[in-house]
Amino acid sequence: ETETTQSPATLSVSPGERATLSCRASKSVSTNLAWYQKKPGQAPRLLIYDSSTRATGIPARFSGSGSGTEFTLTISNLQSEDFAVYFCHQYNTRPSLGSFGQGTRLEIK
Amino acid sequence: QVQLVQSGAEVKKPGASVKVSCKASGYTFSKNSLHWVRQAPGQRLEWMGWINAANGDTEYSQRFQSRVTITRDTSATTAYMELSSLRPEDTAVYFCARGAFQTGYFNYFDHWGVGTLVTVSS
Repeated sequence: ETETTQSPATLSVSPGERATLSCRASKSVSTNLAWYQKKPGQAPRLLIYDSSTRATGIPARFSGSGSGTEFTLTISNLQSEDFAVYFCHQYNTRPSLGSFGQGTRLEIK
Repeated sequence: QVQLVQSGAEVKKPGASVKVSCKASGYTFSKNSLHWVRQAPGQRLEWMGWINAANGDTEYSQRFQSRVTITRDTSATTAYMELSSLRPEDTAVYFCARGAFQTGYFNYFDHWGVGTLVTVSS
């Protein structure tokens, strides 16, 4: 099984600054990794797939990078609407308990 | 626009079953797979299974193999997830999610429902 681990669990950043979120896979997942945003009471929203491809309608301030076991989601020029929970998801192997990361809560500093 | 509208919250007793629906609209129903993912309190998201909306083929997580059934009604463009023999630890928010591809679990999810809270309590 391939497990994903996100860090940090909570990240405090001021509006207008940059946030860097990490996701690590226990085995290589190539570039088969997605990032989602989740706000309370809302459906999760796909931000990035294939490690670095922005989903339709996602602003350019969201960018993804990485391959193999190390991945990063960067959010530049943080806006108020960006404060949410972000989780990564590897889809390179049969889904298991660790396919989704445990999430990073991005909060206003 | 693509929408996945789920049924409302449920409260069930241990040993009962629950059936959650997911009404899809805004796209051709048969062209994408539909998946079910749940999140128990304080836990990470967990994939439960998927259905090929075109032909009804399904595949389930081994963790739920004997208790979960995913079906679909193409005329109603609706998918269903039924979980039986409920236990308190099945208390969770259950999400349906559209797979980017028609088949398989090597899939990311490009649209999600808002989730259905299922509470299992005596």
